Parts: sequence; C-alpha cells; structure tokens
Amino acid sequence: QKEVEQNSGPLSVPEGAIASLNCTYSDRGSQSFFWYRQYSGKSPELIMSIYSNGDKEDGRFTAQLNKASQYVSLLIRDSQPSDSATYLCAVTSYDKVIFGPGTSLSVIP
Amino acid sequence: ETGVTQSPTHLIKTRGQQVTLRCSSQSGHNTVSWYQQALGQGPQFIFQYYREEENGRGNFPPRFSGLQFPNYSSELNVNALELDDSALYLCASSLDGTPLHFGNGTRLTVT
Repeated sequence: QKEVEQNSGPLSVPEGAIASLNCTYSDRGSQSFFWYRQYSGKSPELIMSIYSNGDKEDGRFTAQLNKASQYVSLLIRDSQPSDSATYLCAVTSYDKVIFGPGTSLSVIP
Repeated sequence: ETGVTQSPTHLIKTRGQQVTLRCSSQSGHNTVSWYQQALGQGPQFIFQYYREEENGRGNFPPRFSGLQFPNYSSELNVNALELDDSALYLCASSLDGTPLHFGNGTRLTVT
C-alpha cells in the first residue's frame, strides 16, 4: 500500500465551479497535513496546512481532515483558470514529509 | 527574508559521473530536506538534515549522500549516475521539520 494516495486525474472543472481534490494516507500516526500547488516546470508551493480534524478555510480554499478515515481533501471554490496546476497532498510520517503522486487540475474558461 | 535557493538550475551529466547540488536554506530554518521528482510523479523523499545530522532517509541507495553545514546550507551528492537519476531535485527548508518551503529546484539530465 502506498503511503499517500491521490486520484491522478486529470480533473477538469468549468470556471467558477468547485474543484474537489482527495487524498488518503496509510500512517495512522500522521499529525500534519499539507496541500501544495505545483505549476508545470515549477517547484511546489504551500497553499494549506491542517493539523486537527474538521475544516480549515483560507480564501477560496478549504482543507478538510478526517483522521479516523485517514482522509484529507481540498476544495477550491470559484475555480479560476490560474488554478490549473498539479495539487500535491503531503503528510508527515516518522518525522518526514511524504507526498502523494499529485492530482492534475484543469479549469476550463 | 531570503527564500530557499538552489544551484545550479540545470545540469547535464554523463552516466557514471558524479554530481553535487547545492541549497541555501531560508533564513531562520534549521532543517533541510531533499526530494527527487521524476516527470509526472510526486516528490520522493531522499533524506533530511537537522542541525547538521541526517535524521531521516528514504528508499535511496548509498550513492545518494548529503551534508548540512553550520549555516544550515546543504549539499546533495550523487555518485555513479544512472539514466534513471534524471529528475528535478528539490531542496526544502523548514523550522524543525514542517512546513516545507521549496527552492526552485535543479533539473538534472543524465545521458
């Protein structure tokens, strides 16, 4: 079983819609969870971190964490073409940060 | 505040050669982590240094080695390069492990 799993996509949504990105992880001891955005040819950029169960909102982004289900999600409201990128889920495991394979998001104007 | 800087930006090497990649951590950060990202994949953890000591290593062979210096800058060394080592190498710094702040990466091509 892979440590962090994501749907590879591509996920296509129309401009203005809600994009929903999902992630599951295998280490029940994980305490910190992150979402990174990576544009093609660029390095990952931190957009959200979440540490406790529930929702965390930051502008158009909402991260949701359910430790019992070992599940993390990212919602992007009012999606814009500039949101088109690969979204990486990252989880701490044994004092290191492990990344999922990423989900490619395409926002269609 | 100075961010994470990596050098060089691009590098082309021949199979069997050795390469050294460099990283300057963000001001105030004491931890450096190195990742390898192949095309179309997520970053794979290579190793992490905390206050000049390696404190975590991923599933990479010993020919991948590193150093962290007293100013918290770091080097990644790869010996006996193989074609599969071609990738984007990412350095990230942090204060005590998380969250990670990435540099722009070094694109290594092995021919």
